[in-house]
This record gives sequence, C-alpha cells and structure tokens, in this order.
Amino acid sequence: AQSVTQLGSHVSVSEGALVLLRCNYSSSVPPYLFWYVQYPNQGLQLLLKYTTGATLVKGINGFEAEFKKSETSFHLTKPSAHMSDAAEYFCAVSGANQGGKLIFGQGTELSVKP
Amino acid sequence: GAVVSQHPSRVICKSGTSVKIECRSLDFQATTMFWYRQFPKQSLMLMATSNEGSKATYEQGVEKDKFLINHASLTLSTLTVTSAHPEDSSFYICSARPRQGTGRTGELFFGEGSRLTVL
Repeated sequence: AQSVTQLGSHVSVSEGALVLLRCNYSSSVPPYLFWYVQYPNQGLQLLLKYTTGATLVKGINGFEAEFKKSETSFHLTKPSAHMSDAAEYFCAVSGANQGGKLIFGQGTELSVKP
Repeated sequence: GAVVSQHPSRVICKSGTSVKIECRSLDFQATTMFWYRQFPKQSLMLMATSNEGSKATYEQGVEKDKFLINHASLTLSTLTVTSAHPEDSSFYICSARPRQGTGRTGELFFGEGSRLTVL
C-alpha cells in the first residue's frame, strides 16, 4: 500500500523567497515519486520525477526535489519564487511495477506575494 | 510533449441524464488510461484504471454501474456518468500511459480535465 502526505495545505511566500513544499510518502515497494503543478481549471503538468539513480532531481521552471529514503521524503524547492509559480502542487507516488497508477497527496496551494 | 485531450472541457446537464467524457491520446498509443475525480480544493482521487480491450478496474467505493468506462481503442477511453445527480458534479481528469515500444514508457500524461455540473 502507498500513501502521500503533504504538510501544509497552503504555503505563502514573497516573490524572490525560497519555496519549500513538503512531501512524505509511505510505500511497501521502491517508490517512484512525482511533483505536479495544477493551474485553476486545468489538468496536471509534470514538474519532475524520481525513479532511480540520482536522488536530487531537477525539473522545469527552476524546481528541484531530493529523494531521502531515510526520511521517506521528497520535498520540492525553488530558490526564488516568481509570481507565476502561484498554483496548486501535488506530490504523488507510484510503485515500479504498478503500471503508472499514481496516488496523490492532498495538495499544497502556493501563494506568492509581490 | 505528448498531448492528451479531454472533451468536453465543461458540461452542464440536468439531473437524471447521462454524460460522456472522452479522453484521447493525440500523438501516442496508450494501453492504459486512468480516470481521476477532483473535488474543489481537494486532491485527485483515482476512480478506475482503463485497459484497452478489457474491462476497467475500479477502485474501492467507486460504483462501476454509475461510472461506465470504455477503452475501445489505443487512443480513446470514455467515462460515462449515468443518471447523473448533483453530487456527481466534479472535475474529472484522465491520464494516459504510452504503450511499450513508443520510447515514452513509464511516463504519464494528463488531460486538461472536464468540469461536470449537474443541476
């Protein structure tokens, strides 16, 4: 069984500040981990993913995440927030042999203040 | 990137009617498609896994007779909400997994979503 917990349903940062969105997972098999972004009334766009190999993963729009097995975490960061980063962010987990079936966290709404 | 299209993007219907939502992979073949439901300000809940040429696998608590899924071809899956009621109003999102051998195995592509409002 797998689950994802995102700490903080809403995060607010100032433009130019560090963005940190937290994600912890539970998985009985080696996990594949994902971060998606969703803008209002739209589908999901993949920011980055971890499957195997390097634990620090770089994605689009300056985001990156680090897989920490000992902490069962996959936190998303961006050094400097931009107004266009305001959106809903979802962390998701899948197993290597689960055919792409994703389990999503509750989501974190990111607000960016000017 | 790969494109998954959902249609309609918005639909309003009367209570008791049935509504069909289409999910198409436009530039790749998808052996597996997933249907999710998302309530306002909430996460995506997996409803079912749709495999081409076979019956869909529904998640626990999802009524298969209420939400009919058909994956008749490698590029199209449909979700039909039968006898819709106001509580079925939601945002429905599909995702598609490319067929092995396409060079995109392991990736998952999402549609833009379909917002259903039942009056």
